[in-house]
Amino acid sequence: NAGVTQTPKFQVLKTGQSMTLQCAQDMNHNSMYWYRQDPGMGLRLIYYSASEGTTDKGEVPNGYNVSRLNKREFSLRLESAAPSQTSVYFCASSEKAGTGGTYGYTFGSGTRLTVV
Amino acid sequence: AQKVTQAQTEISVVEKEDVTLDCVYETRDTTYYLFWYKQPPSGELVFLIRRNSFDEQNEISGRYSWNFQKSTSSFNFTITASQVVDSAVYFCALSEAASGSGGYQKVTFGIGTKLQVIP
Repeated sequence: NAGVTQTPKFQVLKTGQSMTLQCAQDMNHNSMYWYRQDPGMGLRLIYYSASEGTTDKGEVPNGYNVSRLNKREFSLRLESAAPSQTSVYFCASSEKAGTGGTYGYTFGSGTRLTVV
Repeated sequence: AQKVTQAQTEISVVEKEDVTLDCVYETRDTTYYLFWYKQPPSGELVFLIRRNSFDEQNEISGRYSWNFQKSTSSFNFTITASQVVDSAVYFCALSEAASGSGGYQKVTFGIGTKLQVIP
């Protein structure tokens, strides 16, 4: 089925370890995003890629890096994990609307990350 | 700055009752977009609807309906004859049309309303 594929689904890291979350979409969308979801705080944007070859910081970029490998793939890296990064991470993609604004996002299934 | 407020943190209803989820937004733009997403207990996020600021017509899709009122900056979501499968967290979101870097339109999410439908 077409959509956004996100791996892994679950991960436990020790403080200071690094890891990369992978995301791929097969809808030919231009824009991709990484969000984190924490209780009581909704979804907060970490990084986004408006189009292939570009990446920009969102609301909470500290401690993360991203790579837009090609139009399909957008990865999120934690270089030195901290307990504050315990969260559920969602990758999403969207196609820009021609008149501005964005169509609804298509989200991946999420990654539940625990940093101990 | 844009802001989305979902004042109802949790709602419980008995099956077959109607329920309305409130969403109030703030924006300085005249062109913007409003969304609702559903997050069932399985955790995935599902897009439900997108509405632009120039279209104040109410939308109905089966048991779901949306009431957009610019005068009160609200975009409320009503589920008619609720069912257990409607139990989920529902997020309202706002996107301004003004372009950021690379043409990005920032999307702000509310904190969500958890709906529990009791059989």
